[in-house]
Amino acid sequence: GAVVSQHPSRVICKSGTSVKIECRSLDFQATTMFWYRQFPKQSLMLMATSNEGSKATYEQGVEKDKFLINHASLTLSTLTVTSAHPEDSSFYICSAMDRENIQYFGAGTRLSVL
Amino acid sequence: QKEVEQDPGPLSVPEGAIVSLNCTYSNSAFQYFMWYRQYSRKGPELLMYTYSSGNKEDGRFTAQVDKSSKYISLFIRDSQPSDSATYLCAMSAVPGTYKYIFGTGTRLKVLA
Repeated sequence: GAVVSQHPSRVICKSGTSVKIECRSLDFQATTMFWYRQFPKQSLMLMATSNEGSKATYEQGVEKDKFLINHASLTLSTLTVTSAHPEDSSFYICSAMDRENIQYFGAGTRLSVL
Repeated sequence: QKEVEQDPGPLSVPEGAIVSLNCTYSNSAFQYFMWYRQYSRKGPELLMYTYSSGNKEDGRFTAQVDKSSKYISLFIRDSQPSDSATYLCAMSAVPGTYKYIFGTGTRLKVLA
């Protein structure tokens, strides 16, 4: 199956700092990537849809200035959590969509803001 | 009513049992149906996907889609302790935004 690489897997940072998470499709090109947030024992919550070469589309209630998304190439999308606060602590997962509209997920990033 | 309903479990079965996992949905526009397995603190792993109706088999896994009943199933034969995980169903409509609608996930425990 297709491989999506997500880094880092774990981040611990101080309140007020910014954190960048990378999502790469390793063996296919992805025009569209997605960013999700997952709370313990809950399903995935879509944050935004990232399209190569254009602005991301954010879901209702997600602050676009807080969660900056850049989709610089067909294999790379980044999520930057700006001025992170403890309430931003969560599990963030990216996915990349192939030509058959199937999403393949990264391993996730666990963010802890102190 | 949620667009996709899935029993959260947990579902506990003995090793070797046949497991049946199900989702129901309300949007008749859904055409793509996926099953993902998610281990604790990991990203979801694609197990099966089907387009429109019918059955699909891959090893110990069988996915079924009944569009007339708006019901999908994942069967796991000869279940193993390593199958213990959360199983998420996901669906999307075509044409559309290609966004997936996920079920809440069913936690499965296979007891040795």
